[in-house]
Amino acid sequence: GQNIDQPTEMTATEGAIVQINCTYQTSGFNGLFWYQQHAGEAPTFLSYNVLDGLEEKGRFSSFLSRSKGYSYLLLKELQMKDSASYLCAVRGDYGGSQGNLIFGKGTKLSVKP
Amino acid sequence: DAGVTQSPTHLIKTRGQHVTLRCSPISGHKSVSWYQQVLGQGPQFIFQYYEKEERGRGNFPDRFSARQFPNYSSELNVNALLLGDSALYLCASSLVPGMNTEAFFGQGTRLTVV
Repeated sequence: GQNIDQPTEMTATEGAIVQINCTYQTSGFNGLFWYQQHAGEAPTFLSYNVLDGLEEKGRFSSFLSRSKGYSYLLLKELQMKDSASYLCAVRGDYGGSQGNLIFGKGTKLSVKP
Repeated sequence: DAGVTQSPTHLIKTRGQHVTLRCSPISGHKSVSWYQQVLGQGPQFIFQYYEKEERGRGNFPDRFSARQFPNYSSELNVNALLLGDSALYLCASSLVPGMNTEAFFGQGTRLTVV
């Protein structure tokens, strides 16, 4: 089966660092994605990992360990606008397709002043 | 350059009716995927199309169907609507399926079934 787990909610303080974890068990693996989704809006792409290690992009970093089925998204210097849901998604073999994304339920991050 | 565009943005339908949702991918993108996102959940894969052919299908009933046109735009059709079909329907486009590129999402169509 396909299973992606991430915490439901997290709270952090403006200016701080927060780490959102994601564990996955999927049939097939063609990369792991993180998306940001503000309420009522479409997901927007944040990061992509296909090899083990850390990918850094500005205030956002994402880490992948394929052997552990584990990833995290690290957000630094938190800003109020970072309050959103963060979706972990694996591109896997599902429904006969190698290109579709399997999403977790999302982590709702609240940034407090 | 326009991103992924979906129409309509909002829609209210009655149980038993059918609905057609439309999606235009980013210029040059040949793969379109449809996702259903129920409130408080992550998006769930419905269909993937590439070069006008269905390349993948998620765990949805036969009331759901889709197609892709020669210009790579796509339609999602849902027949015999149920209350549980109320959701945000997202269209995502990518260059080709399975490649190491991100999928870009449209703003979605918010469907409410009453």
